[in-house]
This record gives sequence, C-alpha cells and structure tokens, in this order.
Amino acid sequence: DIQLTQSPSTLSASVGDRVTITCRASQDISRWLAWYQQKPGKAPNLLIYKASTLQSGVPSRFSGSASETEFTLTISSLQPDDFAIYYCQQYKDYPLTFGGGTKVEIK
Amino acid sequence: EVRLVESGGGLVKPGGSLRLSCAASGFSFSTFRMNWVRQARGKGLEWVSSITRTGYTYYADTMKGRFTISRDNDKNSLYLQMDGLRADDTATYFCVRDCSSTDCSHDYWGQGTQVTVSS
Repeated sequence: DIQLTQSPSTLSASVGDRVTITCRASQDISRWLAWYQQKPGKAPNLLIYKASTLQSGVPSRFSGSASETEFTLTISSLQPDDFAIYYCQQYKDYPLTFGGGTKVEIK
Repeated sequence: EVRLVESGGGLVKPGGSLRLSCAASGFSFSTFRMNWVRQARGKGLEWVSSITRTGYTYYADTMKGRFTISRDNDKNSLYLQMDGLRADDTATYFCVRDCSSTDCSHDYWGQGTQVTVSS
C-alpha cells in the first residue's frame, strides 16, 4: 500500500501568513495526488487534484506543487475561512490512501 | 445541483449488520465511479470501497469479506452492506463521487451517516 506522510500535524498561523503543508508518498505516484479541506462537522472539499490543478471555484491563494514523491499545498495569504484540517490523498493505486491530516489553527 | 444523501446509519451491536444507502441526484449517476469513505470521530479519512460504472469493486483490506458495495443505476443509488461489524467500524460514512475527468479524484461528498457499533 502507498503511505502518505503529512507534516506538520498542526500548524499555528495568523491571517495573512503564507502557509505550506507537505505530503510525502512512500513510492512514485506520478502526481496522482489531491488535497482536501475539511471544516468541523462538514464533508471534505476538493481543493487541488493532479498535484497542482486548482478545482473550479477554489480561491487562487491555494496552490499545489510536486517534486518526485514530495507534494506541497501552499496558501499564499491565510484567510479566516482557511482555518481547517487539510488532507492529501493518492489515487494512483488501490487501496486509495489519505495522509494523516494537518490542522491549521489560529496563532 | 449534485446531491448525495446517505441514510441507513445507526446503532448496532458487534457482529451485527447494516446497509447504508446513498441517493444521488443532479447528475448522470450511471456514468460515474462511486466510493465510500469513512471517518471516526476526531480521526482522519479512511477509504472504504469503490465501484466502477460497470460494477467492478475495490475494498480496503480491513473491510474485504465483511463489506459489499453495490449500485442500482436505475434507482440512482449506491449501497454499502456491512456485516460482521466491529467497534472499530464506528465512524461517519461518506458517499463520494469520482470526478468526470480522469485526472481528478473525488469532487462531491455527501454529508455522511453515522454508524455506531457498541453493545
């Protein structure tokens, strides 16, 4: 199975900060990686797919990048609505797997 | 508008069974791969099972042999039959649609149905 390791598990930041979350895959997943945002009591919301393609309707302050097996989600200027938990997911192979999540909280 | 509405969750004793349903609307259900993803309270997301448009199925190892995913394209519905339930199956179960683009993953999620396994 493909393992995804997210870091950090918790991140404290202020509005306006640039925030970076990393997801490392245990093997090559050829950019088949998605990022989701989840708020308390809600279903996850797709932000980015194929490592760097922004889902329709998602603000442009979100971006994704990839370098071999390391993937990054960046929020260029953190907004109050962005405090949430973020998950990466690989969909190259079954079983599909998720990272452990990164909670972005208010500093 | 795409809608996915789960039902069938509840409280069940260890070893018991439940059948979850997901009613889909607002899109051509028969043309999309569908999935179940679960989340225990305060924990991360865990993929459970997927079913292709033609009915080919995939399962997480911990669910294989206990859970059965199925679909009825005439009724625009997705199902998850869960047998031999264990305490660690307690979670919110989400019905999830794959994107229409093959580049993409899951673009629509239901609000989830709670399954609690306890004596």
